[in-house]
Amino acid sequence: GAVVSQHPSRVICKSGTSVKIECRSLDFQATTMFWYRQFPKQSLMLMATSNEGSKATYEQGVEKDKFLINHASLTLSTLTVTSAHPEDSSFYICSARRGTYGYTFGSGTRLTVV
Amino acid sequence: DAKTTQPPSMDCAEGRAANLPCNHSTISGNEYVYWYRQIHSQGPQYIIHGLKNNETNEMASLIITEDRKSSTLILPHATLRDTAVYYCIVDQTGANNLFFGTGTRLTVIP
Repeated sequence: GAVVSQHPSRVICKSGTSVKIECRSLDFQATTMFWYRQFPKQSLMLMATSNEGSKATYEQGVEKDKFLINHASLTLSTLTVTSAHPEDSSFYICSARRGTYGYTFGSGTRLTVV
Repeated sequence: DAKTTQPPSMDCAEGRAANLPCNHSTISGNEYVYWYRQIHSQGPQYIIHGLKNNETNEMASLIITEDRKSSTLILPHATLRDTAVYYCIVDQTGANNLFFGTGTRLTVIP
């Protein structure tokens, strides 16, 4: 079945630094990938839609200059959290759509900013 | 915006069937009903989806009412490993967004 690999699974960074999270579709091409953020005991919140070869589409309230998304190939999208602060600590999850088979999700990245 | 309503939590005895309801009264004709579940600190896992007919796979069954305004996910023999948050989502094929509601936290009790 469709597999989406997300890396790293956990990362701890210092406040003010940047962190890059990778999302790869392993056995299919994904022209569109999605990035979510999940705070403890809350549901997934869609942050942005990543489009291969073009600019990402951000949901209302998500700062595009802070959460940089790059989708340079049909199998890779990256999310960079720039100048991270403790309030950016969260669980970040990517997903990709595979036709009518629905969405496949990565295993998530636990970001802790100290 | 989430278009579904689910009870926040449910319990189920191990070995019994777990029936998880979902209301999606504003569903449109070309929107599918998808079910995912999320085990703690993992990404959501696909379970099943359907348009208007009932569906069954190795994980679960999906019963969609005739008017499509609600559906029920059935786990026929719940195990402890089925403890998770279950999300019911309506999605239009070709649409580029997937919004999650609050889901149902299912606890399977030994």
